[in-house]
Amino acid sequence: ETGVTQTPRHLVMGMTNKKSLKCEQHLGHNAMYWYKQSAKKPLELMFVYNFKEQTENNSVPSRFSPECPNSSHLFLHLHTLQPEDSALYLCASSQEGLAGGPGSYEQYFGPGTRLTVT
Amino acid sequence: KNQVEQSPQSLIILEGKNCTLQCNYTVSPFSNLRWYKQDTGRGPVSLTIMTFSENTKSNGRYTATLDADTKQSSLHITASQLSDSASYICVVSASGGYQKVTFGTGTKLQVIP
Repeated sequence: ETGVTQTPRHLVMGMTNKKSLKCEQHLGHNAMYWYKQSAKKPLELMFVYNFKEQTENNSVPSRFSPECPNSSHLFLHLHTLQPEDSALYLCASSQEGLAGGPGSYEQYFGPGTRLTVT
Repeated sequence: KNQVEQSPQSLIILEGKNCTLQCNYTVSPFSNLRWYKQDTGRGPVSLTIMTFSENTKSNGRYTATLDADTKQSSLHITASQLSDSASYICVVSASGGYQKVTFGTGTKLQVIP
């Protein structure tokens, strides 16, 4: 295991539902990430939190709302999703430092949540 | 535009055989290149990381090479095992922030008995 856990592992929701994905890292890292992985497409960075502050929002639709209450927990709140939002949602964490710049440090990924929107 | 292209898209090999996966990139200015292994239903796990000055790096039966001049990398798997069946993703980071990390679409490797 990588030290990053995600729940639930599988989620099926209707377009009018509201649900939340949870991620927890046990590595003492200071940065956490949400990625979307669709079939035959590269991983897409959605959000980055560094020291609990959101530092990146990669033009993600407002129906996805992240929350980072502390450096160990990250949530992704979902509402009014579309079928094209069906994908594997991956959480990752890293220990960012002063050298190398943001994004330069190894990221540890969780197992992902397989989301299906019906 | 920064891009990472991997080939082949998929590959089937017999157990015990060797194979080589390719990664070409146009990311600039280059910072580092990583290879990840992603098992079905799991998140990616880092295999190797190389910076500009490194030409080769090994991790057990996995050996990665980097040619920064031609902007190419390869991942060589020796004496493949059934557990090597996975997707292998090349990730290239440019200097300057999270938006500068570019993921390839991966090569799906299947090792058969």
